[in-house]
Amino acid sequence: GQQLNQSPQSMFIQEGEDVSMNCTSSSIFNTWLWYKQDPGEGPVLLIALYKAGELTSNGRLTAQFGITRKDSFLNISASIPSDVGIYFCAGIKNKLVFGAGTILRVKS
Amino acid sequence: DVKVTQSSRYLVKRTGEKVFLECVQDMDHENMFWYRQDPGLGLRLIYFSYDVKMKEKGDIPEGYSVSREKKERFSLILESASTNQTSMYLCASSLFTGGSPLHFGNGTRLTVT
Repeated sequence: GQQLNQSPQSMFIQEGEDVSMNCTSSSIFNTWLWYKQDPGEGPVLLIALYKAGELTSNGRLTAQFGITRKDSFLNISASIPSDVGIYFCAGIKNKLVFGAGTILRVKS
Repeated sequence: DVKVTQSSRYLVKRTGEKVFLECVQDMDHENMFWYRQDPGLGLRLIYFSYDVKMKEKGDIPEGYSVSREKKERFSLILESASTNQTSMYLCASSLFTGGSPLHFGNGTRLTVT
């Protein structure tokens, strides 16, 4: 079935650093989504991507829909302590599939 | 903004009890979903619904049922709660099928003792 490989599994970075994470699949998707989940809360949609090659920003976050439609990445610039949480990618084609998540921890 | 509201943030129930988890969305979304989230297992789809009175099994429906009598409300039912159903339960809704993002509630952390 469709599966997403999200990496890295976890990151521990210095405040102010840029962060990059990605999702890859052997399947093609029509939509890519990126979510953030704070501890004890539900996931919140950060960015939605609908076209291959699309590059979209939301504040310090930038995400891209890969040209092959099989991957997507999320970048966070100048990380701050409140960026801590779990970041999920999700791909949609007929059904929605989630990645396993990237746990982000920031050293202040 | 879409608002998905889950009726309880925390629940503690005994083994064998019937448990109802309620979810309401306020944006007239067609689709509603129930997931459970466990460490190391990610988000797993239990049931979803594309319309009132319509339901479809997800990846892990065993031990659960659902009800969608009104468009805005989607209930998850544990007929006889068991300890392995201790988990974080997340409700979500989306506007339409085939590319519309899911919007999640804040989750219900259920503990079955």
